Amino acid sequence: KAGVTQTPRYLIKTRGQQVTLSCSPISGHRSVSWYQQTPGQGLQFLFEYFSETQRNKGNFPGRFSGRQFSNSRSEMNVSTLELGDSALYLCASSVRDVRDEKLFFGSGTQLSVL
Amino acid sequence: EDKVVQSPLSLVVHEGDTVTLNCSYEVTNFRSLLWYKQEKKAPTFLFMLTSSGIEKKSGRLSSILDKKELFSILNITATQTGDSAVYLCAVAVQGAQKLVFGQGTRLTINP
Repeated sequence: KAGVTQTPRYLIKTRGQQVTLSCSPISGHRSVSWYQQTPGQGLQFLFEYFSETQRNKGNFPGRFSGRQFSNSRSEMNVSTLELGDSALYLCASSVRDVRDEKLFFGSGTQLSVL
Repeated sequence: EDKVVQSPLSLVVHEGDTVTLNCSYEVTNFRSLLWYKQEKKAPTFLFMLTSSGIEKKSGRLSSILDKKELFSILNITATQTGDSAVYLCAVAVQGAQKLVFGQGTRLTINP
């Protein structure tokens, strides 16, 4: 079974630009979550989608948005990039059965904002 | 605000030593506690704990949860250089569909 796939692996952007990151979950997984990881803040929750609906959102500004498609693939978008948005963006998928909330992570997209 | 605190933040030991990593939490509606290992980029799942006092084991790794004192420990015996990684503790919050992560413990095993 293929794991969680994130593209691209690396991205370099300049301040003010926008970026779109992509995530393909494990086959059969309907829940996709996004996390931002920085050395100072650790992993912080961005949002979670299930069956194309955003069920929860973390404390991030409106510049951070996402969506999920009918095949469970997800994208996240960051507009008007700031230097502080430089981070590893991790996507995770799960079955999201009530008995099992293990998340399976992708290798992330390393975003550098110059 | 939900909070997860790990200690120590960094640990350097010699191969063959036993280590204990700590995780304490303060959350409004606890559902479960999870441990992950992050070597390069993708955190990989180690354990999920929901009940107090029941030890989970996988080879040289084991973990236990104390829901009364709100903490968990991860033990690694007979450490190997391949155990070098960041170990992440996270708590699943009831009804929130998210994990709250600690800062992680960076473990370095020297040969």
